[in-house]
Amino acid sequence: GAVVSQHPSRVICKSGTSVKIECRSLDFQATTMFWYRQFPKQSLMLMATSNEGSKATYEQGVEKDKFLINHASLTLSTLTVTSAHPEDSSFYICSAIRANTEAFFGQGTRLTVV
Amino acid sequence: AQSVSQHNHHVILSEAASLELGCNYSYGGTVNLFWYVQYPGQHLQLLLKYFSGDPLVKGIKGFEAEFIKSKFSFNLRKPSVQWSDTAEYFCAVNAKGNNRLAFGKGNQVVVIP
Repeated sequence: GAVVSQHPSRVICKSGTSVKIECRSLDFQATTMFWYRQFPKQSLMLMATSNEGSKATYEQGVEKDKFLINHASLTLSTLTVTSAHPEDSSFYICSAIRANTEAFFGQGTRLTVV
Repeated sequence: AQSVSQHNHHVILSEAASLELGCNYSYGGTVNLFWYVQYPGQHLQLLLKYFSGDPLVKGIKGFEAEFIKSKFSFNLRKPSVQWSDTAEYFCAVNAKGNNRLAFGKGNQVVVIP
């Protein structure tokens, strides 16, 4: 089956630094990828839609300057959390859509900002 | 925009018991419906999906779900659970032609051996 790989799976960073998370579709091309944030005991919250070759579309309330998204190729999207703060600590998940039908998810990245 | 409701966040049951998880969505147009499962320490995996046709959908690992359009529901069922079904289950919806998925809050299911 299709595989989406997310890296790193865990990262701890100091407050004020930036962290980059990668999302790769390993066996299909994805013109669209999505970035989610998951809080404990809550649903996945869609943060933004990553479009290959164009600007990302952010959901209401998500700061585009804080969560930088780059979708430079058909198999790679990156999310950079800039100037991270403890409140940015969360579980970040990406997904890629194959053939405009099914979403495949990465394994998630646990970000802890200390 | 569509929204998804899942009730009873925590479900605890014994092996061989039957499981039913409710999912209701709010959206006036035509939708695609999904159930995803997240086993401990693993990524989200698709259990089953409904796009059109027979409203009773069979998925992997003995799960099935029924789309009842009049009730805006897509409940997940399994007649006899196993310990390995311990996981978190998410219902998700998207509007036809729009890949943006809306997720419910999830059901944490614990199966006791």
